[in-house]
Amino acid sequence: TQLLEQSPQFLSIQEGENLTVYCNSSSVFSSLQWYRQEPGEGPVLLVTVVTGGEVKKLKRLTFQFGDARKDSSLHITAAQTGDTGLYLCAGFFGNEKLTFGTGTRLTIIP
Amino acid sequence: DVKVTQSSRYLVKRTGEKVFLECVQDMDHENMFWYRQDPGLGLRLIYFSYDVKMKEKGDIPEGYSVSREKKERFSLILESASTNQTSMYLCASSLEQVPVSGNTIYFGEGSWLTVV
Repeated sequence: TQLLEQSPQFLSIQEGENLTVYCNSSSVFSSLQWYRQEPGEGPVLLVTVVTGGEVKKLKRLTFQFGDARKDSSLHITAAQTGDTGLYLCAGFFGNEKLTFGTGTRLTIIP
Repeated sequence: DVKVTQSSRYLVKRTGEKVFLECVQDMDHENMFWYRQDPGLGLRLIYFSYDVKMKEKGDIPEGYSVSREKKERFSLILESASTNQTSMYLCASSLEQVPVSGNTIYFGEGSWLTVV
């Protein structure tokens, strides 16, 4: 089983601040996804990245796929309370099943 | 909108009971998945199915079985529930097995199972 490490595990910041969370593996991803999960709900897909070095933006969220396709980051600009949730990365290694990271639990303080 | 519906949101069962968790999707997706989610462990794949009557073991299949008699329905079965199966169970479906840009995996809202 491939391992995805997410850091930090917990993050609590003031509204309006910027933040970055990370997803790392020792293996190469064929593709990687980021999800957000709110309490009592299932994860919801935010983005899929496929190409090394790829950058995708979703409003205030910027997703970057590492050049070597072993890591990814999610940067949030001017965090809002609605960004609170569990952020999960999930990667495909070759043609195997999707493997999830352990998640970063983000709390935005008003 | 795609909808993945898990019939039971909260269940409390006794050790040794047989438990059925039902999942239905309305988008004619080929692939369906069952995960369990535990604090600090993320989502772990129990079983998945890429077609009717087909099933594949995930990372943690022990103690579980599945059934896919119809395309839209994927059931998770705990033959004899144990306390270490207390968890949040998530069902998901997707059109493609391998996620590429534009392919989405849709999750249900989850079923919280407590085994006492």
